[in-house]
Amino acid sequence: GAGVSQSPSNKVTEKGKDVELRCDPISGHTALYWYRQRLGQGLEFLIYFQGNSAPDKSGLPSDRFSAERTGESVSTLTIQRTQQEDSAVYLCASSSQSGTVLGYGYTFGSGTRLTVV
Amino acid sequence: GNSVTQMEGPVTLSEEAFLTINCTYTATGYPSLFWYVQYPGEGLQLLLKATKADDKGSNKGFEATYRKETTSFHLEKGSVQVSDSAVYFCALSDNNAGNMLTFGGGTRLMVKP
Repeated sequence: GAGVSQSPSNKVTEKGKDVELRCDPISGHTALYWYRQRLGQGLEFLIYFQGNSAPDKSGLPSDRFSAERTGESVSTLTIQRTQQEDSAVYLCASSSQSGTVLGYGYTFGSGTRLTVV
Repeated sequence: GNSVTQMEGPVTLSEEAFLTINCTYTATGYPSLFWYVQYPGEGLQLLLKATKADDKGSNKGFEATYRKETTSFHLEKGSVQVSDSAVYFCALSDNNAGNMLTFGGGTRLMVKP
């Protein structure tokens, strides 16, 4: 597609429920990242996928968080048993391999705003 | 590990004032450096970048020079406009760390007419 697409754009869920967030990266982009941005704060790295390599999960805050990616396409971020502190904007970004090596940076999606009530 | 430190905001300026937002970094390799901007209600957009020492990135009147000796990448603009009001994020991408982006905490800029 023309850009990074995330869905849903907004999600309100009850505490304790599971949620699934989706990211469609730009076609052909091998690198995909998930970040979390709490209100008024900076970006917090969650997880990184690069091609067929094992993902870097070092940023996932707890075992309630998991993410998958099918090949070099769609990624889903799942949060189980949501808590109020999970409320944030979840951002996805993608980049081509050549883009990262040459420092082109990343293209971000518009994010999913998650509110846990 | 890699890290990015930028000045805390908010920064409040009058229109046409000179802007500097400081950014310093720590990296194990030879990073590329970026400034991203987030306008109210929108996603992050790449503002400018520099891939090696002494490179100057520029866009929309903003500039930043990659200073390896001071490990800095300060953002500057000679004359800000109300439309520049946004949150600005400094970031690095390190080829020794899988090219993962590491962000600073962001600096909110408010420009008053």
